[in-house]
Amino acid sequence: GNSVTQMEGPVTLSEEAFLTINCTYTATGYPSLFWYVQYPGEGLQLLLKATKADDKGSNKGFEATYRKETTSFHLEKGSVQVSDSAVYFCALSGNRDDKIIFGKGTRLHILP
Amino acid sequence: DAGVIQSPRHEVTEMGQEVTLRCKPISGHNSLFWYRQTMMRGLELLIYFNNNVPIDDSGMPEDRFSAKMPNASFSTLKIQPSEPRDSAVYFCASTLRRSQETQYFGPGTRLLVL
Repeated sequence: GNSVTQMEGPVTLSEEAFLTINCTYTATGYPSLFWYVQYPGEGLQLLLKATKADDKGSNKGFEATYRKETTSFHLEKGSVQVSDSAVYFCALSGNRDDKIIFGKGTRLHILP
Repeated sequence: DAGVIQSPRHEVTEMGQEVTLRCKPISGHNSLFWYRQTMMRGLELLIYFNNNVPIDDSGMPEDRFSAKMPNASFSTLKIQPSEPRDSAVYFCASTLRRSQETQYFGPGTRLLVL
């Protein structure tokens, strides 16, 4: 079945550092891929998504590229801020599925 | 536009009591999802509805949990009787037209069962 594996946290970085959170997936067909973010005390919200191979999703300085050959969708940001501290979830949705499969989440701490 | 609305935001109850969580999806969305989030188990899908019909309830932990969606604008998740291990944050999410669409999450209900 479909699944998502993302790097375990917590990840702690200093402000302005480069961020990578790895995500790989297993799926049949051509899934859509997502990154969701959860700020403290809130629900998840969509950060970015990509619906086909080689698409790049981007938002708020974050980027992720849909790599079918490596079944990956790594999240990157060139210069993180304290306000980026949150939990990040990689997710996929199959083209016939009603539901989204979420990874376990990666907690990110940014130090000033 | 109003997002997904959940009530109550916080609930503290005693073991054995009935708990009812409520959700109002975004108007026009026709799929609704209930999730549970704990530190130990992460985010778990409990059940989802499409056009008010339950499609997959395989994530519902046991018979103490039940969910209904009597119309397109309202859903409930009920726990009866509640147990301390049910303590978690429960999220409702809605989406338009099923797969590959963004899910919009509510703020969650933080449940503590003593």
